[in-house]
Amino acid sequence: DIQMTQSPSSLSASVGDRVTITCRASQGINNHLAWYQQRPGKVPELLIYAASILQSGVPSRFSGSGSGTDFALSISGLQPEDVATYYCQTYHRAPRLSFGPGTKVDLK
Amino acid sequence: QVQLQESGPGLVKSSETLSLNCNVSGGSISSSNNYWGWVRQPPGKGLEWLGSIFPSGNTYYNSSLESRITISVDTSKSQFSLKLTSVTAADTALYYCARGTGYYAYWGQGTLVTVSS
Repeated sequence: DIQMTQSPSSLSASVGDRVTITCRASQGINNHLAWYQQRPGKVPELLIYAASILQSGVPSRFSGSGSGTDFALSISGLQPEDVATYYCQTYHRAPRLSFGPGTKVDLK
Repeated sequence: QVQLQESGPGLVKSSETLSLNCNVSGGSISSSNNYWGWVRQPPGKGLEWLGSIFPSGNTYYNSSLESRITISVDTSKSQFSLKLTSVTAADTALYYCARGTGYYAYWGQGTLVTVSS
């Protein structure tokens, strides 16, 4: 199984800050990585796939980068509605999938 | 727009079998480009992939659950199902069904299943 780790596990930031979350795979996964946002009490929503492609309708302040084993999700200009837990997920061995443990983002 | 809806008992007794269905609408469950899956989330915890199934019936399971899990598909009813045997309190979670093409772009609203002793 491919193991996914994320850091930090949580962070607090101010509105307008740039926020970066990292995700690491236990082995190379090319760009077979997705990011999801789960707002409190809501269903996870796809933000990014193929490591850097924004899902339709996702604000452009979100961006993804990386390939191989190291990836990042950035939010340029944090907004109140971005308070959520963010999960990375690899589909390198789809349909076997693996999620990261999540990173909780809240406001200072 | 594809829509998925989970259904099933919200309370299951310990050692019994958890059974959930996921009804698919707004798209064909039979498309070979997609697979269908189950994800769960224990209260206050992260997401755990449980397993996936293709319309052909080929299944793939999380190795930690392989002895207890069965996923099946009924294309005539446009639904797929999850069975988890010998449940314990650790199986208490919000269970989601989803459609995959690698990543999951479409999710159901989730259904809470509580395992009681």
